[in-house]
Amino acid sequence: KAGVTQTPRYLIKTRGQQVTLSCSPISGHRSVSWYQQTPGQGLQFLFEYFSETQRNKGNFPGRFSGRQFSNSRSEMNVSTLELGDSALYLCASSLVSLGEQYFGPGTRLTVT
Amino acid sequence: TQLLEQSPQFLSIQEGENLTVYCNSSSVFSSLQWYRQEPGEGPVLLVTVVTGGEVKKLKRLTFQFGDARKDSSLHITAAQPGDTGLYLCGGNNNDMRFGAGTRLTVKP
Repeated sequence: KAGVTQTPRYLIKTRGQQVTLSCSPISGHRSVSWYQQTPGQGLQFLFEYFSETQRNKGNFPGRFSGRQFSNSRSEMNVSTLELGDSALYLCASSLVSLGEQYFGPGTRLTVT
Repeated sequence: TQLLEQSPQFLSIQEGENLTVYCNSSSVFSSLQWYRQEPGEGPVLLVTVVTGGEVKKLKRLTFQFGDARKDSSLHITAAQPGDTGLYLCGGNNNDMRFGAGTRLTVKP
């Protein structure tokens, strides 16, 4: 069974721009969660989508948003990028809401 | 403030040594997971512990869930260089929470 895939793997953006990241979950998994990982803050939960609905949300500003499609694929959007948004963005899929997390390889975002 | 506190933060040992990593919380978790992450990759699920007092073994790795389901430990016997990585504990507390991780280096 194919694992979680994320695209792109690397991205460089300028302050003020916006970015969209994509995640394809493991086949059969209906839950997709997004995380931000930085050396200083560690792995932090952004939000979870389950059957196209946002189920849970972490403590991030509204500039971070997401959506999930009927095939369970998910996208995350960050608007008005700030330097502090530079991070590894990980998505994870699970069979049940906030169940065992199966992570993708991540998207390394650099904001200059 | 981390809901899950992991210790130690860094650990550097020689091949063949034993080690224990701890994951503690003041909150009760219905389950906890342990992951290992290597540079440039996403975390990989090692194990899930569900029942208080539960012990699970994965080859040289032994995982324990505290009786009160607030803490967990990971013990590695005879560590090998391939065990090098960032070990994370995580659990569901109305959102997914992770510890800051223990960065383990095993030297040949």
